[in-house]
Amino acid sequence: AQSVTQLDSHVSVSEGTPVLLRCNYSSSYSPSLFWYVQHPNKGLQLLLKYTSAATLVKGINGFEAEFKKSETSFHLTKPSAHMSDAAEYFCVVSDTTGSLDDKIIFGKGTRLHILP
Amino acid sequence: DAGVIQSPRHEVTEMGQEVTLRCKPISGHDYLFWYRQTMMQGLELLVYFNNKAVMDDSGMPKDRFSAKMPNASFSTLKIQPSEPRDSAVYFCASSKRLAGFSDTQYFGPGTRLTVL
Repeated sequence: AQSVTQLDSHVSVSEGTPVLLRCNYSSSYSPSLFWYVQHPNKGLQLLLKYTSAATLVKGINGFEAEFKKSETSFHLTKPSAHMSDAAEYFCVVSDTTGSLDDKIIFGKGTRLHILP
Repeated sequence: DAGVIQSPRHEVTEMGQEVTLRCKPISGHDYLFWYRQTMMQGLELLVYFNNKAVMDDSGMPKDRFSAKMPNASFSTLKIQPSEPRDSAVYFCASSKRLAGFSDTQYFGPGTRLTVL
């Protein structure tokens, strides 16, 4: 069975400091993992995705995430936060067997606050 | 491309009324997804289509919800009768191909439904 846990519901960082949003997952198969961002009153937008290629994945707006199978983690990082990064971030896990049993599970979300 | 289009953006209705939400996916995308987002449950997949056919509707309450995709460029999600617990933001998303949900999904701006 799949599950995804975002370890922090809220994270606050100062502008210009590093960002770390934590995500742990469980999956019975070879998972695909995603981070999506949702700005207020907007739909979700893909930041980056891991689909069994390189374990360090680079996304848009300077974000990156590292797939660590031994730790079942897929944490999202950014070296220097910008005010425009304030949003809600969702970690997503899906199975990649290509069967009708495949599921997609969204984490509860982490709201990122950027302090001036 | 205009992206995924949803209408209406906001809907306020009274309990017991019928509600119809509409979605136009990105042209050329074979897959269409309907999600519901609430504070308590987060994002939940209700139903998804492949080439207009329902692939999985296990996340959708069958007694009051129905989803259709009469052609490749239009889908509806209908709630009849509506209940206050249906109040949520409903997102439509589309993707080119599925491959176990490993493809990027493009989300619409959502419809905020309030049932009084």
